[in-house]
Amino acid sequence: AQSVTQLGSHVSVSEGALVLLRCNYSSSVPPYLFWYVQYPNQGLQLLLKYTSAATLVKGINGFEAEFKKSETSFHLTKPSAHMSDAAEYFCAVTRNQAGTALIFGKGTTLSVSS
Amino acid sequence: NAGVTQTPKFRVLKTGQSMTLLCAQDMNHEYMYWYRQDPGMGLRLIHYSVGEGTTAKGEVPDGYNVSRLKKQNFLLGLESAAPSQTSVYFCASRTGLMNTEAFFGQGTRLTVV
Repeated sequence: AQSVTQLGSHVSVSEGALVLLRCNYSSSVPPYLFWYVQYPNQGLQLLLKYTSAATLVKGINGFEAEFKKSETSFHLTKPSAHMSDAAEYFCAVTRNQAGTALIFGKGTTLSVSS
Repeated sequence: NAGVTQTPKFRVLKTGQSMTLLCAQDMNHEYMYWYRQDPGMGLRLIHYSVGEGTTAKGEVPDGYNVSRLKKQNFLLGLESAAPSQTSVYFCASRTGLMNTEAFFGQGTRLTVV
């Protein structure tokens, strides 16, 4: 069964520093992977998705992620953090079963300090 | 373009009471989902629907029922609310293709006392 594991429930960075949020997946078939962001008291918004067209995927707000099959990883990065990036981030994989629901990791809360 | 709309946004229930959460989407999506979000648990799938008139169980279906009488609407019911059902509930819709994103509503914050 498909699943994702997010390493680190909380990540703290300084404004201007590199952001690295880790996600590893488990899938018996080539996966479709997604990163979502959730700002306080809001719904989830898509940051980017991997659908096998390219291993380096660029998303909104300067985020990008690289699909590495050998490491079963799909880590999210941003070269320079901004205060507005403070939010909760979720990695997800499409379930390869009826309903094709997204299966989510437990989330990583990103804090950005000035 | 409203996308996915959930009502209500907030609700407080007493143990044993019942209620229905409504999800409406205007994107003509076939697939709809109900998730619950709890601290440190991510989002867990409660029930889902792959089309009008169909429903199926997800990871955590106990204590919930659903109906999809119209393509654009997906209802989540709690027959007898319990404190363990205190959570934030999210509805999502999708075309059904595995490489497409799911669109989420703004959530319903439910407290059962």
